[in-house]
Amino acid sequence: GAVVSQHPSWVICKSGTSVKIECRSLDFQATTMFWYRQFPKQSLMLMATSNEGSKATYEQGVEKDKFLINHASLTLSTLTVTSAHPEDSSFYICSARDPDRLDTQYFGPGTRLTVL
Amino acid sequence: KQEVTQIPAALSVPEGENLVLNCSFTDSAIYNLQWFRQDPGKGLTSLLLIQSSQREQTSGRLNASLDKSSGRSTLYIAASQPGDSATYLCAPQVWNNAGNMLTFGGGTRLMVKP
Repeated sequence: GAVVSQHPSWVICKSGTSVKIECRSLDFQATTMFWYRQFPKQSLMLMATSNEGSKATYEQGVEKDKFLINHASLTLSTLTVTSAHPEDSSFYICSARDPDRLDTQYFGPGTRLTVL
Repeated sequence: KQEVTQIPAALSVPEGENLVLNCSFTDSAIYNLQWFRQDPGKGLTSLLLIQSSQREQTSGRLNASLDKSSGRSTLYIAASQPGDSATYLCAPQVWNNAGNMLTFGGGTRLMVKP
């Protein structure tokens, strides 16, 4: 199956700093990628849809100035958590949609963010 | 807005049992439906994908059925093993203005005891 990677796997940062998370589709081109957030023992909540070459579409309640998304190429999307606070601590998962495989979404391994 | 419910929320069974995990969704106009597995602290692994025109899909000991009109899908796990312990997520996919989107259920946390 298609492979999606995320980097870093986990990150610990101080409150007020910014953190960038990368999502890459390794063996296919993804015009659309998605960013999800998952709190402990809860399901995935869609944060935003990232479209290559255009602005991301954010879900209701997600601050676009807080969570900056860039999808500059067909294989890379980045999520930057700006001025992170402890409440931003969460598990962030990306997925990439493969148009050559019936638009199936393939998920990355996730990034654990802890803000001190 | 699509709402997805999974029952039971948690399940603990002895090894060898056959299992049924249930998923219901409110918007039956789905494109397809995926079942995923998530191990603690890990990402998602796609198990099965059922197209809206299909009734079921099988992969090894897993069988997923879909009744689109009633908004239900069921994941059967045969002869469960301790390695099956994980959270199972159901995610129907619909088309909207942003393209096709997945909505996740709350998951079923499965524990298979040796």
